[in-house]
Amino acid sequence: GENVEQHPSTLSVQEGDSAVIKCTYSDSASNYFPWYKQELGKRPQLIIDIRSNVGEKKDQRIAVTLNKTAKHFSLHITETQPEDSAVYFCAATPGYSSASKIIFGSGTRLSIRP
Amino acid sequence: DAGVIQSPRHEVTEMGQEVTLRCKPISGHDYLFWYRQTMMRGLELLIYFNNNVPIDDSGMPEDRFSAKMPNASFSTLKIQPSEPRDSAVYFCASSPNSLSNEKLFFGSGTQLSVL
Repeated sequence: GENVEQHPSTLSVQEGDSAVIKCTYSDSASNYFPWYKQELGKRPQLIIDIRSNVGEKKDQRIAVTLNKTAKHFSLHITETQPEDSAVYFCAATPGYSSASKIIFGSGTRLSIRP
Repeated sequence: DAGVIQSPRHEVTEMGQEVTLRCKPISGHDYLFWYRQTMMRGLELLIYFNNNVPIDDSGMPEDRFSAKMPNASFSTLKIQPSEPRDSAVYFCASSPNSLSNEKLFFGSGTQLSVL
């Protein structure tokens, strides 16, 4: 089955700097790669996603890149702000059906230093 | 829509007791997922349903765990008997049936503590 690896497990950056989180996946059939943000004590919420027919997607300060050949994808957050502090999870979906099992990485705890 | 509703929010029980977690998905969503979150193992998929039918329960850790979805608006996750290592946050999530939308909508979770 699908296996998603994520790193680093913790990341601390100065406010205003950029943060990058990287993930790799094992199933070449995976075609949907969402990123979820979980603030302390809250539920995970989708912040951005990308499909295998796209190499990059941006939404304001957040961007995601995908390299299908290498089977890795990354989350980039620019001009980080205190409210970006949270745990971020990447995920991958084996592409044999829509909304099929979504497998999460182990998470990255991002801390923004003032 | 109130979103995915889970109950109880917190559950404290003693080892050996039966625990039942409940979930009401968003109306119209055809998929329902149960995840378990711990510091050590992150978000683990336990089981998911499509149109009330269990599709993949390979993540259910042991026979002590069981899940049902008797209708489109209700699902339960039962642990019997419970053990301290079952302590975790259990999330239910639902998703629409759409080739263009696999977004998961999570409930608030149930914090389970087994003493």
